[in-house]
Amino acid sequence: AQKITQTQPGMFVQEKEAVTLDCTYDTSDQSYGLFWYKQPSSGEMIFLIYQGSYDEQNATEGRYSLNFQKARKSANLVISASQLGDSAMYFCAMRGFSMEYGNKLVFGAGTILRVKS
Amino acid sequence: KAGVTQTPRYLIKTRGQQVTLSCSPISGHRSVSWYQQTPGQGLQFLFEYFSETQRNKGNFPGRFSGRQFSNSRSEMNVSTLELGDSALYLCASSLESRGDTDTQYFGPGTRLTVL
Repeated sequence: AQKITQTQPGMFVQEKEAVTLDCTYDTSDQSYGLFWYKQPSSGEMIFLIYQGSYDEQNATEGRYSLNFQKARKSANLVISASQLGDSAMYFCAMRGFSMEYGNKLVFGAGTILRVKS
Repeated sequence: KAGVTQTPRYLIKTRGQQVTLSCSPISGHRSVSWYQQTPGQGLQFLFEYFSETQRNKGNFPGRFSGRQFSNSRSEMNVSTLELGDSALYLCASSLESRGDTDTQYFGPGTRLTVL
């Protein structure tokens, strides 16, 4: 079974500062993928960044980077230079790499991020 | 390229009724997955369709069903609605269902309220 844990229900960050959103995962699979999504109040889930379990380098996408520590089973999202538009719910998710899982994503409970001006 | 579209965006139904939600994937995407989001249970996987076949199913009662058409558009149906079915239903599409790095892109969701 796969499980995602996000221990921070809510976070505040000052505009232009960096913030780290925590994500730990549990799986017995050797191959898997980790995803971060952003959900604004409108409801749509927006894909941010992906990290494969065999990727040796941490993934980066613009202001987003994923701090992947495989031995600790953590995949924290780092947002640099926060903007007011970053205020949203953030979800960490994972998917196993086998036909058994197909495209099933397992999500964490999410972290609400509020950016202060 | 147009994103994932879902219709309707909002629905209000009463207990016992049934409802059909529609999802049109990104052009060229063949896999469509459905998720239910509630404040209490969070995001939960309902089912996935690929090439008109259900590939995977979450832990939901048989009242929840779906199908996929030859153009990859998908519908999900909930029969005999219960109050607990009130949720945001999200549809996601991806190119292939191979369990690899394929990214799922989500639609805006359908917010269902059951009275």
